Amino acid sequence: EPEVTQTPSHQVTQMGQEVILRCVPISNHLYFYWYRQILGQKVEFLVSFYNNEISEKSEIFDDQFSVERPDGSNFTLKIRSTKLEDSAMYFCASSGTTSTDTQYFGPGTRLTVL
Amino acid sequence: KQEVTQIPAALSVPEGENLVLNCSFTDSAIYNLQWFRQDPGKGLTSLLLIQSSQREQTSGRLNASLDKSSGRSTLYIAASQPGDSATYLCAVWGNTPLVFGKGTRLSVIA
Repeated sequence: EPEVTQTPSHQVTQMGQEVILRCVPISNHLYFYWYRQILGQKVEFLVSFYNNEISEKSEIFDDQFSVERPDGSNFTLKIRSTKLEDSAMYFCASSGTTSTDTQYFGPGTRLTVL
Repeated sequence: KQEVTQIPAALSVPEGENLVLNCSFTDSAIYNLQWFRQDPGKGLTSLLLIQSSQREQTSGRLNASLDKSSGRSTLYIAASQPGDSATYLCAVWGNTPLVFGKGTRLSVIA
């Protein structure tokens, strides 16, 4: 069964460093998302992406964040200058042909900022 | 701003029991509601999606209902098994893609 994959599973970085989290959505899906979950808190929406551009973003998704679909399969989230409070689990998700289809989530990347 | 609340926060039941998890949301203008399962330290597994025009969805031992006008959904699990132990998350799609509740942590005791 097709699934969303994410790499790395765990990333440790120093405060102020740039990180890139990678995702491979399900191959025929058109809509892509990033969410994050700080330990013990709710899953929060960051950004949605469709047709090679951001379709929606939350207040969390400020100028230090960016997303890209560099090729036909990968979808990346870049954090330019990490802060301690960026430590969280980051989930990528994708959905099919309409924006309100079922979203399928990847296993997540645990980001630890020291 | 949409708020999603799940009650109870934690639930422990003996194996074989039928149970109901509750989800409420403040803004009834939603496109759909999705139930997920999350195992510790893992990703989210989609269980059921209910479109705003639907009243319920069923998958195996799971049944989810939606009452949009009252801002409520329930997830019914029949004949619970130890393998059902996980955190169950409810999420609604309204003005923004998927606003989540904090989840109900379910433990099914053998």
